[in-house]
Amino acid sequence: EVQLVESGGGLVQPGGSLRLSCAASGFTFSSYDMHWVRQATGKGLEWVSAIGTAGDTYYPGSVKGRFTISRENAKNSLYLQMNSLRAGDTAVYYCARGKYGSGEFDYWGQGTLVTVSS
Amino acid sequence: QLVLTQSPSASASLGASVKLTCTLSSGHSSYAIAWHQQQPEKGPRYLMKLNSDGSHSKGDGIPDRFSGSSSGAERYLTISSLQSEDEADYYCQTWGTGTHWVFGGGTKLTVL
Repeated sequence: EVQLVESGGGLVQPGGSLRLSCAASGFTFSSYDMHWVRQATGKGLEWVSAIGTAGDTYYPGSVKGRFTISRENAKNSLYLQMNSLRAGDTAVYYCARGKYGSGEFDYWGQGTLVTVSS
Repeated sequence: QLVLTQSPSASASLGASVKLTCTLSSGHSSYAIAWHQQQPEKGPRYLMKLNSDGSHSKGDGIPDRFSGSSSGAERYLTISSLQSEDEADYYCQTWGTGTHWVFGGGTKLTVL
């Protein structure tokens, strides 16, 4: 059974940093692209970052230069380093698996809440 | 620019059918999309990938009550025999050149 479990969320001050983790199980982690997607309270889903199997990374303009996605295949783990955090980054952050050979997300975690506030 | 447009809300009666719409922006009518369901207080769940020709492949364990179809730039999700647990937010999602991923704004489905 595919499982994705996020951790590392919490309260952080504006300008601060936080590192999220996603523990993957039930599939060959190294063979899949992985993503982070966020959702502000009462709002829709927003793609935040992607990492390919070769370690190539992709970001939207809203987080580029502030967020860094990485993976550690030996530990079946995905990470999101978030720096220079702003109030607008407050959201639940989901880890998602990219479907093999396609662009959709076929499995999701339950999310971890990040609150940026003084 | 690749944009997905969804109606903010929809409603239908228990046991009835409902058809949700996701519209691709101009110039992107050949793109495939995916549908995701998000029940209250839960993470999203992948429902299916839907191609421009209407063919679709569903995620693990998705009931036959969920189906997809396409017409031009419109992508549809039809849910038949509505159940109370179908009350949820439904998001369409696509991906474009330049390796960016896009979501529609979501449709909140109310089961009456």
